[in-house]
Amino acid sequence: ILNVEQSPQSLHVQEGDSTNFTCSFPSSNFYALHWYRWETAKSPEALFVMTLNGDEKKKGRISATLNTKEGYSYLYIKGSQPEDSATYLCAFISGTASKLTFGTGTRLQVTL
Amino acid sequence: DVKVTQSSRYLVKRTGEKVFLECVQDMDHENMFWYRQDPGLGLRLIYFSYDVKMKEKGDIPEGYSVSREKKERFSLILESASTNQTSMYLCASSFDSGTGRNGYNEQFFGPGTRLTVL
Repeated sequence: ILNVEQSPQSLHVQEGDSTNFTCSFPSSNFYALHWYRWETAKSPEALFVMTLNGDEKKKGRISATLNTKEGYSYLYIKGSQPEDSATYLCAFISGTASKLTFGTGTRLQVTL
Repeated sequence: DVKVTQSSRYLVKRTGEKVFLECVQDMDHENMFWYRQDPGLGLRLIYFSYDVKMKEKGDIPEGYSVSREKKERFSLILESASTNQTSMYLCASSFDSGTGRNGYNEQFFGPGTRLTVL
């Protein structure tokens, strides 16, 4: 069973703060790493699919980096807003698997 | 607007009942998935399907079966519901890029069904 870990488990920041969280995954046999945002009472939505070591992706104020050699990805949110409040999930797929393995998520709460 | 819909948002059933959870997607996706979400655990894959009438077991298939008679519809069946199947169930779909490996393709999720088994 693959181990995908996310930290911190939860995070509480003020509006305007920048924040980041970590996803750790096995460094061998990497294939792809997904990030999803899951707002309360809504469906999880994909943010990024990352496939290459050194990948950096950006969507608005959210960006992500990938280091496949050491087995981690960072998700950054610049200038957090209340609408960023959600659980952020990462999911890993190895070269030998045909399915995603999800981490337990980082729950972000942004207050005014 | 692409959509994955699930038949119920909330469902309450009794132990021993047969339960059907339905999922429909309108994106013509080949792949469909059923997950469950429990507190402190990540999304865990129950079953997935990469084509009509095809299915593969995920990480936790025990106590569940699935049916995919049409491309757009993927059903999860609890043959005899038990209290440890109380959970949030999420359906997802993704495009098949034809490589036999689909890790590059994002998954689109439904809103979830919160099932309580009494």
